Amino acid sequence: DAEITQSPRHKITETGRQVTLACHQTWNHNNMFWYRQDLGHGLRLIHYSYGVHDTNKGEVSDGYSVSRSNTEDLPLTLESAASSQTSVYFCASSDRPYGYTFGSGTRLTVV
Amino acid sequence: KQEVTQIPAALSVPEGENLVLNCSFTDSAIYNLQWFRQDPGKGLTSLLLIQSSQREQTSGRLNASLDKSSGRSTLYIAASQPGDSATYLCAAPSTTNAGKSTFGDGTTLTVKP
Repeated sequence: DAEITQSPRHKITETGRQVTLACHQTWNHNNMFWYRQDLGHGLRLIHYSYGVHDTNKGEVSDGYSVSRSNTEDLPLTLESAASSQTSVYFCASSDRPYGYTFGSGTRLTVV
Repeated sequence: KQEVTQIPAALSVPEGENLVLNCSFTDSAIYNLQWFRQDPGKGLTSLLLIQSSQREQTSGRLNASLDKSSGRSTLYIAASQPGDSATYLCAAPSTTNAGKSTFGDGTTLTVKP
């Protein structure tokens, strides 16, 4: 069965370190997204991609970057982790007739 | 810019009650609307996807309707159970780019035994 997987499930890192969160989908969806979810803020879009080599900034992109070298993967990099980036991160993929499918999330703690 | 609103933010009902969750969107030029469920500490699970050409979708005790002209969608839950307790979110595609949806903040439902 097709799926979307995120790794790691939990991550603790120190302030200033570079961190990469992985997202891999086997739906063959063109569109992929990264969101963060914090209490009181709902889902906030970080970056998104509509296909290979395409990336776009979302509403909270500062301090984050993505790259899309193939259809299946959209890794999210925190260039220099800050305590304000402690959050739960969700990856999603979509294609027009099928709607969104979400990964299980990565809980990131920056200490 | 698409805006999606879900009211109320929280709802508590006794077990067995039928209930309706509301989702409003500002731009009716959508091609689908999707309802999700999120349990505490978990990801979002898709419940129902309504294409713009449809007026409703059903899955078990769940029924979602779509009225594009009024900018509204409802999720009807029949005979609610404690296991239905979760946060329910709706999502509608952005008009600036149909590949990207705007999410509501959700309605947190508690079903009391």
